[in-house]
Amino acid sequence: QLQLQESGPGLMKPSETLSLTCTVSGGSISSSSYYWGWIRQSPGKGLEWIGIIYQSGSTYYNPSLKSRVTISVDTSRNEFSLKVSSVTAADTAVYYCARHRSSGSSRWFDPWGQGILVTVSS
Amino acid sequence: DIQLTQSPSFLSASVGDRVTITCRASQGISSYLAWYQQKPGKAPKLLIYAASTLQNGVPSRFSGSGSETEFTLTISSLQPEDFATYYCQQLDTYPFTFGGGTKVEIK
Repeated sequence: QLQLQESGPGLMKPSETLSLTCTVSGGSISSSSYYWGWIRQSPGKGLEWIGIIYQSGSTYYNPSLKSRVTISVDTSRNEFSLKVSSVTAADTAVYYCARHRSSGSSRWFDPWGQGILVTVSS
Repeated sequence: DIQLTQSPSFLSASVGDRVTITCRASQGISSYLAWYQQKPGKAPKLLIYAASTLQNGVPSRFSGSGSETEFTLTISSLQPEDFATYYCQQLDTYPFTFGGGTKVEIK
């Protein structure tokens, strides 16, 4: 059974660069037809799609974050990562990683990691 | 960006009730819509994709319908474990966007 697990710092200061890693177990990150993505949820708020990456390294980002976000993949370690530069309090959120399928009409995110709360505070 | 508007944002229902949640898209998205269930402190769980296809392992009391700009999620007989927040997501156009959520609470 495929599982995803986020890791990284829980507390950051404004202007720092957030770095999170998603480790994939129970399957290969190099599987065809799958992308790997990040989604975040601000406390008490809804869900915001951050971006996705394919095993080849092709990426798609949310324009609202594009200038500050980088998603990368390390197939040798079976993990992918998210970097968000120049964080502010508005970046405080639970960050989720998830597998994304995009094949014909089959488009979805599943499964998701358990999420990691990142708080930005001075 | 494509905006998704869910209604209602909150509903109170009893066990056994039939519940319907609506998701309206600001432009046509064909059938590229998914529904997720989220319980407090947990990650969202995929229920339905392609507007009406039930994900493996999801109870058959959940169903989805619709296309282009109007979609519905129906729970035919609400069970205690169904009290949660439900989100729709469009996967037609980047950036993928989510609806604002519908919280289903016990009446």
